[in-house]
Amino acid sequence: NAGVTQTPKFQVLKTGQSMTLQCAQDMNHNSMYWYRQDPGMGLRLIYYSASEGTTDKGEVPNGYNVSRLNKREFSLRLESAAPSQTSVYFCASIFGPGEKLFFGSGTQLSVL
Amino acid sequence: GESVGLHLPTLSVQEGDNSIINCAYSNSASDYFIWYKQESGKGPQFIIDIRSNMDKRQGQRVTVLLNKTVKHLSLQIAATQPGDSAVYFCAERGFQKLVFGTGTRLLVSP
Repeated sequence: NAGVTQTPKFQVLKTGQSMTLQCAQDMNHNSMYWYRQDPGMGLRLIYYSASEGTTDKGEVPNGYNVSRLNKREFSLRLESAAPSQTSVYFCASIFGPGEKLFFGSGTQLSVL
Repeated sequence: GESVGLHLPTLSVQEGDNSIINCAYSNSASDYFIWYKQESGKGPQFIIDIRSNMDKRQGQRVTVLLNKTVKHLSLQIAATQPGDSAVYFCAERGFQKLVFGTGTRLLVSP
């Protein structure tokens, strides 16, 4: 039982490049989330998917797009990376309201 | 990642001491609160949660206290061990979304 799996673990991009962060969960969870974590800022919600087929903006969605490919997978895309997007990105999933979030191990992204 | 934890408030304790980590939350309508532990290079891990209709909940070596009057949450760790060294986050749920605090670094000296 792998839980929440994120790939890649580390990535370095040049400004303007694009990339997709992958996330998959094997817990049959309905809702999935993408957060970014910056020093002194806590975890901030980028996008979430309450259920398969739906996605919604979170607190800091600008510069990102998401796809809920199926119930298991939720990807985060940076179309044109900027240095301000240098951060650690976490995917998380939850079965339903009131349940605890399970987090992946994170992707450390640097944009030069 | 290694950049997590810069500029965080830090609590330093000796092994065996009890630790108390505090958190102020902002939304009086929040109905659910969670504490997470994050070790270096890893994602946050669930420790304990509490609903707004409770003021105390105990787990194994951990206790969460909720004071809704002053919108304050605390995590108490009994007999702190070196393995407890990590960054601890509180999170509150309001309007169906979790909002995380900035975290406190706990350093445990042997």
